[in-house]
Parts: sequence; structure tokens; C-alpha cells
Amino acid sequence: EAGVTQSPTHLIKTRGQQATLRCSPISGHTSVYWYQQALGLGLQFLLWYDEGEERNRGNFPPRFSGRQFPNYSSELNVNALELEDSALYLCASSFIRANVLTFGAGSRLTVL
Amino acid sequence: GQQLNQSPQSMFIQEGEDVSMNCTSSSIFNTWLWYKQDPGEGPVLLIALYKAGELTSNGRLTAQFGITRKDSFLNISASIPSDVGIYFCAGQKGGGADGLTFGKGTHLIIQP
Repeated sequence: EAGVTQSPTHLIKTRGQQATLRCSPISGHTSVYWYQQALGLGLQFLLWYDEGEERNRGNFPPRFSGRQFPNYSSELNVNALELEDSALYLCASSFIRANVLTFGAGSRLTVL
Repeated sequence: GQQLNQSPQSMFIQEGEDVSMNCTSSSIFNTWLWYKQDPGEGPVLLIALYKAGELTSNGRLTAQFGITRKDSFLNISASIPSDVGIYFCAGQKGGGADGLTFGKGTHLIIQP
């Protein structure tokens, strides 16, 4: 069974540009979560999608957004990139309201 | 937001030594989870704890849910090179995984 897959593995952008990250959950999982892992800050919750709807978001500005598609895959968009957006972005999936997450390997975003 | 204090921040040990790390919080949690992140990978669940006082083992790993429900520890016995990585605790008050709060991680480094 395939795990959570994320693409791209690495992404380099400049300030002000937009980044799009993609995630495919484990088959059968309807919930997708996005986390930001910046150096020294642990995992910060960004967004939770389930059944195509945004269910909750963390303490991040509106330029962080996303969506979930009918096949439960998800996209994270970061607009107007800032230097401090440089981080590893992790996607995780689960059954709805489960608290055990399965993480992907992450997408490393570098903003220059 | 909620804060989890995870310590130590890093550990430099010799192969074969036992390891102990812990997480404390000012808030009560109903669930404690311990994850490990290998370099270049996403976090992988090691142990889940659901009941105050619960002591659970997974091979050489043992974790406990504190009686006060405000702390948890993880022990690794007889460390081996593949134990290297970042260990994260996560606490949850209730509901789904959007309510998980992660610690900042403990970097385990095994010296030759």
C-alpha cells in the first residue's frame, strides 16, 4: 500500500512568488493535514481538509491556503512568499477525527 | 497557543546507552503520541498513549502517560545507530488531529 506522497521534494522560489505543494493521502483516508516544520520550531498546524472542505486552520495568515480534490488529494498554496516561509511542509492523512497521523516525507521550500 | 516543553533539545550518547526524554505541559491532555523523524523523512508514529498512568512498550521503546495528564516520557534502551533522528511528543485534548500540539523535538545523536 502506498503511503502519503508529496511533491515536489524540493522547491526554490523568490520573495513575492507563489508556491504550490501537492499531497496524495493513503487510500481510504479522507482527512488531509498540512504542517509547517521550520528550523527549531517543531511542527506547526496549518490546515485540515476533509471531504473537500476546510475544517480548521492554524494561526497562519490568509496567504496560506489550499484545497482538497474529490479524490482526497490536496494542494497547499502559499502566496506572496516571504523569507520566513522557508521550511519543510509536511502533509499527513488519517481517517476522519482520528488522532493518529501518517506523514509524507515533506516538501522543502526555500525562499530566496 | 498551547505549548509543550520537550527536553532535552538534543542528546549525544554512545551506542548501547539508554535514553530518556520527556514532555511537559501546563494543560491536561487526553492523548499523548510519540513520533520519530529520520533525516529526509516525515515523522513516524512510535507509541500512542490514551490513559493516565498507561505504560506502553514497543520493542526497546517504552513510553508513559503521566498521572497528572500533563506529561509523558519516552525511554529507549540499549541504543543502536538507527535510533538517530528527531523524536517528537504530541499531546491532544480531544477531537481530531487538528488538535494535536507538537513539542519542538529531541535530536538524538549517537557518537561512535
